[in-house]
Amino acid sequence: EPEVTQTPSHQVTQMGQEVILRCVPISNHLYFYWYRQILGQKVEFLVSFYNNEISEKSEIFDDQFSVERPDGSNFTLKIRSTKLEDSAMYFCASSEAQRGAREQYFGPGTRLTVT
Amino acid sequence: GENVEQHPSTLSVQEGDSAVIKCTYSDSASNYFPWYKQELGKRPQLIIDIRSNVGEKKDQRIAVTLNKTAKHFSLHITETQPEDSAVYFCAAPRFGNEKLTFGTGTRLTIIP
Repeated sequence: EPEVTQTPSHQVTQMGQEVILRCVPISNHLYFYWYRQILGQKVEFLVSFYNNEISEKSEIFDDQFSVERPDGSNFTLKIRSTKLEDSAMYFCASSEAQRGAREQYFGPGTRLTVT
Repeated sequence: GENVEQHPSTLSVQEGDSAVIKCTYSDSASNYFPWYKQELGKRPQLIIDIRSNVGEKKDQRIAVTLNKTAKHFSLHITETQPEDSAVYFCAAPRFGNEKLTFGTGTRLTIIP
């Protein structure tokens, strides 16, 4: 069964450094998302992406964040200057294009630790 | 935006008994309600979902019920087994919107 994949599984970085988190969505899916989950808390929406542009973003997704689909398979989240509070698990998700509600399938996550 | 509340935050159930987790939502136009199971250190995994045109959906030992009037939906797990131990999240999108708003999660522990 196709799955969303993410790399790396764990990223440790120093405050102020840039990080890029990578995702490969399910191949026939056209909607892509990033969510984050601070340890022990709920999953929070960051951004959705469709047709090579952001379709919605949350208040968390400020100017330090950006997303890109650099080629036909990868979807990336960049954090330009990491802060301690960016430490979290970052999940990529994807869904098919269909009318109405869409099931979202999550990747295994990247644990980002900012020191 | 959508607001989703989930109860209880923790639930311990004897193996073989049933577990029920409840969520309420705020946007009356929401039309899709998924439930995710998250084991420790793993991804949220979609286990069942329901759309607003039905009141109940079953898949083996799990079922979801939806009350649109009251704006709440519930996850029911029957004949619980140790492998059901996990954190369960409900979610709801705003109508016509891609963003899922998650509940705060329920840590379910099955006592052997």
